[in-house]
Amino acid sequence: QSVLTQPPSASGTPGQRVTVSCSGSSSNIGSNTVNWYQQLPGTAPKLLIYSSYQRPSGVPDRFSGSKSGTSASLDISGLQSEDEADYYCAAWDDSLNGYVFGTGTKVTVL
Amino acid sequence: EVHLVESGGGVVQPGGSLRLSCAASGFTFDDSAMHWVRQAPGKGLEWVSLISGHGGGTSYADSVKGRFTISRDNSKNSLYLQMNSLTTEDTALYYCVRGTHSGSYYVPDYWGQGTLVTVSS
Repeated sequence: QSVLTQPPSASGTPGQRVTVSCSGSSSNIGSNTVNWYQQLPGTAPKLLIYSSYQRPSGVPDRFSGSKSGTSASLDISGLQSEDEADYYCAAWDDSLNGYVFGTGTKVTVL
Repeated sequence: EVHLVESGGGVVQPGGSLRLSCAASGFTFDDSAMHWVRQAPGKGLEWVSLISGHGGGTSYADSVKGRFTISRDNSKNSLYLQMNSLTTEDTALYYCVRGTHSGSYYVPDYWGQGTLVTVSS
């Protein structure tokens, strides 16, 4: 079972802003930075945000991350059709001594 | 360009064993920690294991501890996952993922395309 909780789905029309939340605990998000992954249908996941806020080169600035306490969020502004994908948050968990993923959120562009 | 190619997946009976391999290129392999992450059909991502750059440190998910062993051969730029006592719960696409040090841990960043393991009688 995932120890990071995300809403199963989120949606928006093109151009809108969508926010995906991620809830954890003091041993994971509360103690470590958060990463976000995008998984397009039928493909391997891609790192979208690391260290809670940072974007790898090539990731559009429409994607942004934030963290507060034991929760984190991924914002997608100016939603585009190609953003339709599954999104996962993740962090190291000090109690489990392992990396934990969120339950995943399917973002649909209406 | 980072390139990770997994192999060794297949169909195995419950209780059986399988060894996965991952060939790495495009980066300094022995400077990088490596992860295995799996995804059951239609399900989310599950972290499996981590090994440090020189192989001295390993970590496992509770679900595979005592059954799976991660290892690496830096002379061959290769990562391995020995899987024993397999159950149907281990059926998944297994990804080899590079770990980049960020903050206090190794962030899985570049992913291979995965190799499918099916445990079925």
